[in-house]
Amino acid sequence: DTGVSQDPRHKITKRGQNVTFRCDPISEHNRLYWYRQTLGQGPEFLTYFQNEAQLEKSRLLSDRFSAERPKGSFSTLEIQRTEQGDSAMYLCASSLRIRAGGHNEQFFGPGTRLTVL
Amino acid sequence: ILNVEQSPQSLHVQEGDSTNFTCSFPSSNFYALHWYRWETAKSPEALFVMTLNGDEKKKGRISATLNTKEGYSYLYIKGSQPEDSATYLCAYLSRFNNDMRFGAGTRLTVKP
Repeated sequence: DTGVSQDPRHKITKRGQNVTFRCDPISEHNRLYWYRQTLGQGPEFLTYFQNEAQLEKSRLLSDRFSAERPKGSFSTLEIQRTEQGDSAMYLCASSLRIRAGGHNEQFFGPGTRLTVL
Repeated sequence: ILNVEQSPQSLHVQEGDSTNFTCSFPSSNFYALHWYRWETAKSPEALFVMTLNGDEKKKGRISATLNTKEGYSYLYIKGSQPEDSATYLCAYLSRFNNDMRFGAGTRLTVKP
């Protein structure tokens, strides 16, 4: 257990539905990352936050994807109008930025596995 | 190299064998390279964060080297054990982007 939790662990939905996933990072970590992982591939970066500021979102897969971290603690990732191609594992990670520009080791949650029927 | 590439894709070794695998990454604008170990049904676990050319890091039987000029890193496992079976991921961070680019991983299976 890394201390990062994700909810739900599994989600099955029908095409066209909206889904929202939650990530609770390690409490003192100021950076939070979202990744998508499909079979046979490594995690694919989607977006990241430093505190409540979303510092990188150009890699979100489409405008159907959005993420928030309203109070700089937990984060949510929403996918609107899901498509079958959205089926994947969605991973969250957190880290502690201790110096300017630093990207320290990330602690990953167990992931949410999404299946779109 | 524009992307992060790992080889081999999979590897089967006998318990006690030593093994190594490669991560190749863009040599320009290098900032950091991370290695992670991902066991099935668990979260990826950080092994090393490497930043300097020539860096060599060690944790128990696992060690890693870094060559930023030619854009590669090796991960070594000495005396592999069945519990080393996992997917080993490397991730590259460039100086100018904020995203981590992961390789597809090397899936290691250690047979008793």
